Amino acid sequence: GQQLNQSPQSMFIQEGEDVSMNCTSSSIFNTWLWYKQDPGEGPVLLIALYKAGELTSNGRLTAQFGITRKDSFLNISASIPSDVGIYFCAGRHSNYQLIWGAGTKLIIKP
Amino acid sequence: DTGVSQNPRHKITKRGQNVTFRCDPISEHNRLYWYRQTLGQGPEFLTYFQNEAQLEKSRLLSDRFSAERPKGSFSTLEIQRTEQGDSAMYLCASSTGGLRAEAFFGQGTRLTVV
Repeated sequence: GQQLNQSPQSMFIQEGEDVSMNCTSSSIFNTWLWYKQDPGEGPVLLIALYKAGELTSNGRLTAQFGITRKDSFLNISASIPSDVGIYFCAGRHSNYQLIWGAGTKLIIKP
Repeated sequence: DTGVSQNPRHKITKRGQNVTFRCDPISEHNRLYWYRQTLGQGPEFLTYFQNEAQLEKSRLLSDRFSAERPKGSFSTLEIQRTEQGDSAMYLCASSTGGLRAEAFFGQGTRLTVV
């Protein structure tokens, strides 16, 4: 099925570093969502974006809905060990169905 | 706990057997979704219910798959004559209505077909 282009695929970072990841699509979305999934668990919603250009924060997380409506990015500032996991972007057209990226795996170097 | 509940959490079955998974959504959520997730990929949409009506099924949902939500509350997903390619995490999610009513996911059922 259709998937979004999410990058990077994985990231090795030091605790305290800032993290940036993004998603692009060939089609326009009305909604962009960012989820985090821990091993053996379901995805948990972090941030929802509903308007082009919208910039939204949730604690140390900040996400933006691209002006073209074909991309979005997620930033995590001052990473901590519990940030480890897989981050997914998901886009929605006009109905309820979500199209997902393949995920960005965040690993913190010891 | 008022979250989405899925049972069982893990299921190992022999190829050719039938399996059934259950999902209990958050109470008063009238929308329920099933997704499948394979290793290294994001979830893929399988099917969607609004109350007891199954409104959409993905082409991924072959004839061996059937989902029900008989009373508009819990839902079951059955896979008949399982194949090794069915091995995946099956995720259930629920939401209220409305364009900005985002879905809450359960912990998933991990299926392994041997």
